[in-house]
Amino acid sequence: EAAVTQSPRNKVAVTGGKVTLSCNQTNNHNNMYWYRQDTGHGLRLIHYSYGAGSTEKGDIPDGYKASRPSQENFSLILELATPSQTSVYFCASGDAGQFANTEVFFGKGTRLTVV
Amino acid sequence: GDSVTQTEGLVTVTEGLPVKLNCTYQTTYLTIAFFWYVQYLNEAPQVLLRSSTDNKRTEHQGFHATLHKSSSSFHLQKSSAQLSDSALYYCALSDRRNYAQGLTFGLGTRVSVFP
Repeated sequence: EAAVTQSPRNKVAVTGGKVTLSCNQTNNHNNMYWYRQDTGHGLRLIHYSYGAGSTEKGDIPDGYKASRPSQENFSLILELATPSQTSVYFCASGDAGQFANTEVFFGKGTRLTVV
Repeated sequence: GDSVTQTEGLVTVTEGLPVKLNCTYQTTYLTIAFFWYVQYLNEAPQVLLRSSTDNKRTEHQGFHATLHKSSSSFHLQKSSAQLSDSALYYCALSDRRNYAQGLTFGLGTRVSVFP
């Protein structure tokens, strides 16, 4: 079964500090994604990756960087955290090879609070 | 780009009565796959239904949806709501050109089922 693991599950950060959210998947999927979830905005794509070494900007990339050092790991980095980045962040993975079944599998999310 | 519209932010329903969640979309591509995701409290979003075939009814866990390309819709229905159906529901699409970039989600509809 698909497995996407996020760490930490909860994080409190100070404004201006650096935050790294980590994600590991054991599905051997090529594609990985970072979304943030906010009431009234749904799930919005921040960054995604086609495979190790690649990162692409999604719909709301400002203030975020991403890193994909391996097939299994995908990190989201907030270099200078701001209160507006308080949100729930979801990592997901998907198999790019099967169009009709291109669902994505989500991790359980990281609740980030920037104070 | 693609867009998905879920018109209801909150749907309240009495246990045992039918429930319908609306979903319409806009895309410039004819080949698309559609999904309904469900997210229970403090859990990851997970796929409830998927479809890529026009006018074909898809069913799972008592829910059903039919993709109608003529009206650009993929509404979710259940004939008898259960207390356990209380959750956040997302409609999402993937098109052939952008499928590797993940899914485009609607804003979500929260369903509250009351006894």
